[in-house]
Amino acid sequence: AQSVTQLGSHVSVSEGALVLLRCNYSSSVPPYLFWYVQYPNQGLQLLLKYTSAATLVKGINGFEAEFKKSETSFHLTKPSAHMSDAAEYFCAVRAEGSGGSNYKLTFGKGTLLTVNP
Amino acid sequence: EPEVTQTPSHQVTQMGQEVILRCVPISNHLYFYWYRQILGQKVEFLVSFYNNEISEKSEIFDDQFSVERPDGSNFTLKIRSTKLEDSAMYFCASSERAQYFGPGTRLTVL
Repeated sequence: AQSVTQLGSHVSVSEGALVLLRCNYSSSVPPYLFWYVQYPNQGLQLLLKYTSAATLVKGINGFEAEFKKSETSFHLTKPSAHMSDAAEYFCAVRAEGSGGSNYKLTFGKGTLLTVNP
Repeated sequence: EPEVTQTPSHQVTQMGQEVILRCVPISNHLYFYWYRQILGQKVEFLVSFYNNEISEKSEIFDDQFSVERPDGSNFTLKIRSTKLEDSAMYFCASSERAQYFGPGTRLTVL
């Protein structure tokens, strides 16, 4: 079974500061990993994905994440926070498939990012 | 850019009533999913659907729930007799490799 742990339910940064949102995963097989962002009263938007190619993955809005197998981590970073980055961020791992037809996602509990002026 | 759409955006119903939540997945995707998010909690998997049948369902997805792909574009979630605890945001998703989510339907059961 897969699981995801997001350390810190709430992270607060100043505008222009580094954003670091932590995600650790547990998986019995090589995982696919994802970060989604949810703005208030909206759905989940895919930020970036790791699918066993490059370990440093670049996403939208200046975000990137690095897959570190030795640390079972997939932390999300952005060099300089913008007010518009304020949202909830979810890390997710893809479950192993059965016959290639099951790709359910297991989500972490989410991290609410606040950006202060 | 293609996107997943869901209707309605908000549904209010009385306990015991049936509701149908509708989704139009991205047209060339083959895998479809429903998830839900109870207010303040994490997103939970309900069911996955492939090749016109359920491929996996969670413990939440009991006999009150059903899914259907009635035509080539729509994908529906039916809750037969709603309970108060069914109040949540319901997300549809479709995928090739990554899952793309719709904007959700907020279901309120009174």
